[in-house]
Amino acid sequence: DQQVKQNSPSLSVQEGRISILNCDYTNSMFDYFLWYKKYPAEGPTFLISISSIKDKNEDGRFTVFLNKSAKHLSLHIVPSQPGDSAVYFCAARGYGNKLVFGAGTILRVKS
Amino acid sequence: EAQVTQNPRYLITVTGKKLTVTCSQNMNHEYMSWYRQDPGLGLRQIYYSMNVEVTDKGDVPEGYKVSRKEKRNFPLILESPSPNQTSLYFCASSVWVAGELFFGEGSRLTVL
Repeated sequence: DQQVKQNSPSLSVQEGRISILNCDYTNSMFDYFLWYKKYPAEGPTFLISISSIKDKNEDGRFTVFLNKSAKHLSLHIVPSQPGDSAVYFCAARGYGNKLVFGAGTILRVKS
Repeated sequence: EAQVTQNPRYLITVTGKKLTVTCSQNMNHEYMSWYRQDPGLGLRQIYYSMNVEVTDKGDVPEGYKVSRKEKRNFPLILESPSPNQTSLYFCASSVWVAGELFFGEGSRLTVL
């Protein structure tokens, strides 16, 4: 069973607009959440993280929101740029300090 | 430059022929891990290591072995590869357990 789900395989957004990528999880014991970005032919790179004791974390154009009651987190990119086009993975840390990844969402930012 | 280096980047092999994918990091990280990426399944953890001589199974360890004899190296061994191990493999390391991971560029393996 997939404990971390990214239900949108892809998302297309116009340059300058907001991109919202969503992630749902089932395990209430997850205590730390991360987002990674992956370009073709490269490894994933860390983007932003949030602890379960917070509900928001910002870093420049990127903001992650955590709603523990809904077991939902989202990544907002404002404004979106063509260079943001990539695959985005959310990940959650759980029992045994293992990271569980979602299946990824392909973001395309059109210029 | 801080990096995680994997070799080979691409490999086509045949069923049953033992192979090793090497992984080396130059950041003095204690935690290292192997993942495989498959369409629709995201990144799944194969094995991880919290320190030298300390390794443990991830979510999909069957058919794989690892060793951690030195802090910087964490090779992935496929003793008898099978077609269902055709995948894109990533090695990663971090300062602390399951923290911000630094990934290698990936090794695309095809088993015929």
